[in-house]
Amino acid sequence: DAKTTQPTSMDCAEGRAANLPCNHSTISGNEYVYWYRQIHSQGPQYIIHGLKNNETNEMASLIITEDRKSSTLILPHATLRDTAVYYCIVRADTGANSKLTFGKGITLSVRP
Amino acid sequence: EAQVTQNPRYLITVTGKKLTVTCSQNMNHEYMSWYRQDPGLGLRQIYYSMNVEVTDKGDVPEGYKVSRKEKRNFPLILESPSPNQTSLYFCASRAREGPYEQYFGPGTRLTVT
Repeated sequence: DAKTTQPTSMDCAEGRAANLPCNHSTISGNEYVYWYRQIHSQGPQYIIHGLKNNETNEMASLIITEDRKSSTLILPHATLRDTAVYYCIVRADTGANSKLTFGKGITLSVRP
Repeated sequence: EAQVTQNPRYLITVTGKKLTVTCSQNMNHEYMSWYRQDPGLGLRQIYYSMNVEVTDKGDVPEGYKVSRKEKRNFPLILESPSPNQTSLYFCASRAREGPYEQYFGPGTRLTVT
């Protein structure tokens, strides 16, 4: 799985958009970009994933650059409950072991 | 509601006393997995299972056993727990084919004294 690099932390104001960046310059053509988050000591929660097109669901949007070397997770209207560690993970889905390799992630703090 | 459940959620035990942490999912998923999470080390995979009666080691299997006799259940067994197995444990599941998201349980905090 390709390595990812994320800032250590960031904060944003409640109600504003939170833009969380991720670099994955060694990503391979068959590798997807996944985002998960973990709210303090709870089980990680899937947010979104994409291959090369931008994706949107009820939780967030994922913007992947054309060269696929970086991506941005966007929480359009952050709330206090979005305070969590966000993990960007790059992996291919081959149908074999679906192990997720979590790095250190980025700690998002949403302030009132 | 689609979910992964784990029991117990909290457990304090003593060295050498066998214990089992149960994991159950109601989504008919083929794939299940156990992770442990420790400060500074992130989540590390212990064991995984691709389907009933098919299990394999992850990155840190020493001191653990698993079984997969039924599709919905994937218990984690510590035959002789030691203090270095004090950790936060998560069970996860996903379908073999897409979608690719994994569902995680709420976690089991284990303390071995």
